[in-house]
Amino acid sequence: NAGVTQTPKFQVLKTGQSMTLQCAQDMNHNSMYWYRQDPGMGLRLIYYSASEGTTDKGEVPNGYNVSRLNKREFSLRLESAAPSQTSVYFCASSERGQLNSPLHFGNGTRLTVT
Amino acid sequence: AQSVTQPDIHITVSEGASLELRCNYSYGATPYLFWYVQSPGQGLQLLLKYFSGDTLVQGIKGFEAEFKRSQSSFNLRKPSVHWSDAAEYFCAVGVRRKLIFGQGTELSVKP
Repeated sequence: NAGVTQTPKFQVLKTGQSMTLQCAQDMNHNSMYWYRQDPGMGLRLIYYSASEGTTDKGEVPNGYNVSRLNKREFSLRLESAAPSQTSVYFCASSERGQLNSPLHFGNGTRLTVT
Repeated sequence: AQSVTQPDIHITVSEGASLELRCNYSYGATPYLFWYVQSPGQGLQLLLKYFSGDTLVQGIKGFEAEFKRSQSSFNLRKPSVHWSDAAEYFCAVGVRRKLIFGQGTELSVKP
């Protein structure tokens, strides 16, 4: 049982390059999330998908787009990377919402933008 | 605006000693309260949560937390720390179906 799988684990981009972070969960969860983690800032929600076919902005959505491809997969795209997007990105899923059921996290993607 | 404060950025305790990690929140009503733990190189894992009822809640790995409304606090405790408890701990507050995380407290355990 893999849980939440994120790829890649590490990535270095130059300013202006684009990339997509992939996330898949095998727990049949309805809700999926993308967070970024920066030192001293905790985790901040970028985008979320409450259910298949829906996506919504979180706290820090600027510079990102998402796609809920199906119930299992939720990708995060950086169209034109900036140094301010250097961070560790976590995908998470839950059965129903952020509060009523536990969040299950992937192991993260460490992204550096030079 | 709602907020979560973890006053201690880094704490070091000796193995076998007791532990208390502090968490304060700012919100008008009683929020949903959570503690998550992040081991090095991994994602977060839920330790425990408080929604209502008994203000002392038990979690996994021997952790407990107490909700104190008068102090707007939800401190995490463990009576005897093990070396494997070294990790970063995040308090989180649920408000209007959204989760707000604190800045985190890094716990080091010395032999």
